[in-house]
Amino acid sequence: AQSVAQPEDQVNVAEGNPLTVKCTYSVSGNPYLFWYVQYPNRGLQFLLKYITGDNLVKGSYGFEAEFNKSQTSFHLKKPSALVSDSALYFCAVRDRDRTDKLIFGTGTRLQVFP
Amino acid sequence: NAGVTQTPKFRVLKTGQSMTLLCAQDMNHEYMYWYRQDPGMGLRLIHYSVGEGTTAKGEVPDGYNVSRLKKQNFLLGLESAAPSQTSVYFCASSDFNQPQHFGDGTRLSIL
Repeated sequence: AQSVAQPEDQVNVAEGNPLTVKCTYSVSGNPYLFWYVQYPNRGLQFLLKYITGDNLVKGSYGFEAEFNKSQTSFHLKKPSALVSDSALYFCAVRDRDRTDKLIFGTGTRLQVFP
Repeated sequence: NAGVTQTPKFRVLKTGQSMTLLCAQDMNHEYMYWYRQDPGMGLRLIHYSVGEGTTAKGEVPDGYNVSRLKKQNFLLGLESAAPSQTSVYFCASSDFNQPQHFGDGTRLSIL
């Protein structure tokens, strides 16, 4: 079965420092991987996706993610964190069937301190 | 741009009551989904639809029913609410191989 794991419940980083939010995956076949962000009292917003091609994927708001097949990881990164990046981040993988169902990780809360 | 609209935004029910959550999308998407979000558990898929008139069970379908009579609407019903169904419910829509678009959620408390 397809699954993703987010090993950190919370990540704390100082504003201006680089940030990494970790995600590992377990899939049969080629993975379709996604990152979403959720701000308080809002729905999830799409950040970026990996389907095929370059291992470094660029997304919205200056975020990028690095696909690493040998480590089965898809970590979210940003070179310089902003206080406004504080939110809940979800990694997701598309299910094997062709219905576009997503399987989400448990989420990582990012706290950026001034 | 409305996108995905969920009504109501908040609701408090008593155990055993019934209600329907409405999701409407204006992007002409084929696929629609209902998730529930609980602390520490991420989002779990309740039911989904791959087109008008079709529905299918997701990961946690028990206690819920859905209908998709019109392409733009996806209804989630609770026939007899239970405290375990206290959650935040999210609707999403998409086209094949495209990112899902989410509504802002319905916060449901069952006493």
